[in-house]
Amino acid sequence: EVQLVESGGGLVQPGGSLRLSCVASGFTFSSYWMHWVRQVPGKGLVWVSRISTDGSSTSYADSVKGRFTISRDNAKNTLYLQMNSLRPEDTASYYCLRGSIAWRGVDVWGQGTAVSVSS
Amino acid sequence: DIVMTQTPLSSPVTLGQPASISCRSSQSLVHSDGNTYLSWFQQRPGQPPRLLIYKISSRFSGVPDRFSGSGAGTDFTLQISGVEAEDVGIYYCMQATQIPHTFGQGTKLEIK
Repeated sequence: EVQLVESGGGLVQPGGSLRLSCVASGFTFSSYWMHWVRQVPGKGLVWVSRISTDGSSTSYADSVKGRFTISRDNAKNTLYLQMNSLRPEDTASYYCLRGSIAWRGVDVWGQGTAVSVSS
Repeated sequence: DIVMTQTPLSSPVTLGQPASISCRSSQSLVHSDGNTYLSWFQQRPGQPPRLLIYKISSRFSGVPDRFSGSGAGTDFTLQISGVEAEDVGIYYCMQATQIPHTFGQGTKLEIK
């Protein structure tokens, strides 16, 4: 069964940092692009970032560029999102997603991890 | 960025009746490779979203055939042929033709 399990969320003060992790199982992690998407409680979905299979290519939403860094460890089947200089508007559930191998887009979602930025 | 606009934002439907959700993009979603990367997702209450439809009209694995997608260019539609109670939730379209990928605002499907 394909699974994505996020962790690392929590409460952090403005200006602080967090690192989210996403452990993948049930598929060959190193063959798939991976993404992060976030959702403010009760609001819509916002794409955050993506990374290529070997980590050599990354993209970010303008709202997080320069503050967030996506990375991966294919030996550990793990995707990361390093979040620095956090702002209250970064408060959201963060989902790890698998990029489709057959078309541009995403197919499988994790359950999400909640991040709250507040003093 | 490509702006995705869904209508309606709320759709009360009688069980067994059809439902339709529209999604319009601010520019063509046809990629340079000739494909159109428009997907639909369903988010049930308290759950993460799940993929229903990709590339306008292809149903993802395990998705019931009452769900169908259509459209081209900038105008797309998700149709449910006969709504069931388990279909309650919020539906999102998403374009993956360009970076950043962008989502519609969501359409809340509820039972009358």
